[in-house]
Amino acid sequence: NAGVMQNPRHLVRRRGQEARLRCSPMKGHSHVYWYRQLPEEGLKFMVYLQKENIIDESGMPKERFSAEFPKEGPSILRIQQVVRGDSAAYFCASSRTGGVGTEAFFGQGTRLTVV
Amino acid sequence: AQKVTQAQTEISVVEKEDVTLDCVYETRDTTYYLFWYKQPPSGELVFLIRRNSFDEQNEISGRYSWNFQKSTSSFNFTITASQVVDSAVYFCALSEASGNTGKLIFGQGTTLQVKP
Repeated sequence: NAGVMQNPRHLVRRRGQEARLRCSPMKGHSHVYWYRQLPEEGLKFMVYLQKENIIDESGMPKERFSAEFPKEGPSILRIQQVVRGDSAAYFCASSRTGGVGTEAFFGQGTRLTVV
Repeated sequence: AQKVTQAQTEISVVEKEDVTLDCVYETRDTTYYLFWYKQPPSGELVFLIRRNSFDEQNEISGRYSWNFQKSTSSFNFTITASQVVDSAVYFCALSEASGNTGKLIFGQGTTLQVKP
């Protein structure tokens, strides 16, 4: 039973390029959360999705960032026109259900470096 | 305002010492959950414990123990007889009932270094 899979583990992009981060949840999990960890900081919630729906995107920057979780396939976090400040570790977590206290399982993260 | 505060940025101890990591939280909800995660140097997040707001019993798991006190809004984590492998960043997190999304609010983390 594979855990949450994130790829790539490391991603280097030049300023202005697009970054696509993928997250395959655990089998049977239909809820996905994305978090961002800036250097030397804690994780910050970005977005919560269920299959084909964005439930809470209160932590997403207003521009350049988008997320999706299609009926088939992984969840994608997309960052357009990356800037140096986007350099961070992006973690995905999945759970079988949502709601307060849900135990979500984290992936190993994607470390994005913008040069 | 910080909802989860981990006031200790870094702690350094010598192996076999006991160490307590502090976590203070803030919420208006009566139903909430508190979590602790470990992030070793390899970078992944390892779940340690989850506690709901109605259960104030302290918990012990091997060398790890947790002290939950609603009166002081604290959920402290103690490692007894620390080992070098305990060196990591430890995060405390809060899940509130309002919104009912299950999203976590993390503290800034405490970096623990255990020296041999």
